[in-house]
Amino acid sequence: DAGVTQSPTHLIKTRGQQVTLRCSPKSGHDTVSWYQQALGQGPQFIFQYYEEEERQRGNFPDRFSGHQFPNYSSELNVNALLLGDSALYLCASSFFLRVNEQFFGPGTRLTVL
Amino acid sequence: GQNIDQPTEMTATEGAIVQINCTYQTSGFNGLFWYQQHAGEAPTFLSYNVLDGLEEKGRFSSFLSRSKGYSYLLLKELQMKDSASYLCAPMDSNYQLIWGAGTKLIIKP
Repeated sequence: DAGVTQSPTHLIKTRGQQVTLRCSPKSGHDTVSWYQQALGQGPQFIFQYYEEEERQRGNFPDRFSGHQFPNYSSELNVNALLLGDSALYLCASSFFLRVNEQFFGPGTRLTVL
Repeated sequence: GQNIDQPTEMTATEGAIVQINCTYQTSGFNGLFWYQQHAGEAPTFLSYNVLDGLEEKGRFSSFLSRSKGYSYLLLKELQMKDSASYLCAPMDSNYQLIWGAGTKLIIKP
């Protein structure tokens, strides 16, 4: 049984570019949450997807958008990249409203130059 | 507002016991999580407390006092592999985790 997988592992972009990160949830899970974790900080909640809709959103600008597909996998898109977007992006999957059983993927390390 | 407070860094000796404290303020409360995170890796689940009291799981125990907005993680018989960051994360009324910055635990031989 595969756990949560994310791609790519590492990514380097320049300011102003756009990036797409991908996440496949743990088998059977229907909800995907995305987090941004800057170096030395705790994760910050970006948004959560369930039934292909954004259900909740943290305090992030519209440059951050996402999508969930019928197979429950998800994408995180960030437009007009800023240096401050450099971080570890974590995807976590769970059953809807059962966050106490949330599993994290290995993360994507994004560096913006 | 919502706020999590835990020490930035702690040092302990291999074989010893260490207690990592966490105080929190959230909009509503649906339990509190502790996660372990090694550098460059994803957080891994350690414990979940929703009622007051102590939950013991092997070398790790977690305590919760809802009235005081306080929790601690107790690690016994410390091993070098326990060197990591430990994240306290209460869940608010929207079932979202509110994360602290974490406590970096350094284990010395």
